Amino acid sequence: AQSVTQLDSQVPVFEEAPVELRCNYSSSVSVYLFWYVQYPNQGLQLLLKYLSGSTLVKGINGFEAEFNKSQTSFHLRKPSVHISDTAEYFCAVSDQYNQGGKLIFGQGTELSVKP
Amino acid sequence: DVKVTQSSRYLVKRTGEKVFLECVQDMDHENMFWYRQDPGLGLRLIYFSYDVKMKEKGDIPEGYSVSREKKERFSLILESASTNQTSMYLCASRPFGQTTEAFFGQGTRLTVV
Repeated sequence: AQSVTQLDSQVPVFEEAPVELRCNYSSSVSVYLFWYVQYPNQGLQLLLKYLSGSTLVKGINGFEAEFNKSQTSFHLRKPSVHISDTAEYFCAVSDQYNQGGKLIFGQGTELSVKP
Repeated sequence: DVKVTQSSRYLVKRTGEKVFLECVQDMDHENMFWYRQDPGLGLRLIYFSYDVKMKEKGDIPEGYSVSREKKERFSLILESASTNQTSMYLCASRPFGQTTEAFFGQGTRLTVV
């Protein structure tokens, strides 16, 4: 069965510092990977997705993620964070055999950006 | 813009009540989902539906049922609410296919007292 593990439940960083949010997945077949962001009191919105091709994927708000098949990882990065990036971030996986297109989510990482 | 609308942002219900959470999407998506969000546990799938009148159990279906009589509407039903069902409930819809983006509603924060 598929699973997603986000290795850090909370990540505190100072403004303008770089950040990496870690995500590992388990699946024996081809996967599609997603990062979503949830701002306080809001639903989730898509940051970026990896479907195929280049392993470095760029998303909105300056975020990017790198797919590493050998490490089964899809870590999210930003070179310089802002206060407005404070939110919860979720990694999700879908695979080619998933009935009904269901997404499996990780536990979430709370990013807290301090001035 | 795609819109997924959940009927309530906040609900307070009593133990033993039957509770209906409604979700409507306006983009003709085939797939619809109900997730439960709890701190430290992320989003856990309760039920999903890939077509009208079709439903599949997710990872935590116990204590819940669903209904999808029309393509745009997916309802989550708590037959007899219990305090351990106090949580944030998120509805999502997604077009057919594994590579498409899922769109989420704003969530319903349910408190069972």
